Amino acid sequence: IAGITQAPTSQILAAGRRMTLRCTQDMRHNAMYWYRQDLGLGLRLIHYSNTAGTTGKGEVPDGYSVSRANTDDFPLTLASAVPSQTSVYFCASSEAGGNNEQFFGPGTRLTVL
Amino acid sequence: GQNIDQPTEMTATEGAIVQINCTYQTSGFNGLFWYQQHAGEAPTFLSYNVLDGLEEKGRFSSFLSRSKGYSYLLLKELQMKDSASYLCAVMDSNYQLIWGAGTKLIIKP
Repeated sequence: IAGITQAPTSQILAAGRRMTLRCTQDMRHNAMYWYRQDLGLGLRLIHYSNTAGTTGKGEVPDGYSVSRANTDDFPLTLASAVPSQTSVYFCASSEAGGNNEQFFGPGTRLTVL
Repeated sequence: GQNIDQPTEMTATEGAIVQINCTYQTSGFNGLFWYQQHAGEAPTFLSYNVLDGLEEKGRFSSFLSRSKGYSYLLLKELQMKDSASYLCAVMDSNYQLIWGAGTKLIIKP
């Protein structure tokens, strides 16, 4: 693995189903983030983690949960998907400290019907 | 509230210069980032400004005025591959990035 990976690349999901988006980085970054990107809007932070074992809520956390069991992995779970969660989801990571650039994964395109 | 404003779309000619503006109102300021995002791809880092002034990096430069809440990204000697969206993001007092909606730059031959 080089950098940050996400899976799946895309997914079509029925409303009400549970879904976990996976994110793995091999840069040993302490901080990780989940964003959603919707047309006409900026990236919006869903959840973040400053270090393994800790997580925090971003701007739009409702309907999503995360865990950070180790440094490398930061999965995002939709407990019961709704159509408004149709979006492109990006995972990112950075060195600890606020002014470090974030490195983004390739994204997951999720459609909830 | 927190707000980042940038033009939705701009058009420029190959070989020319283009300036993409960004104005912001945020709770606190810990730096301003510019990212490039090609269609269907992830954002990639271009520049970071935390002090007033101009930061130059090859064909790209970024300027910041904290007192005006203003930044711009200057792209020189435009190439077709520069066709992309350019995202302005401000790090607020909680060290979280607040993102603008992005400026889609179209380069014409």
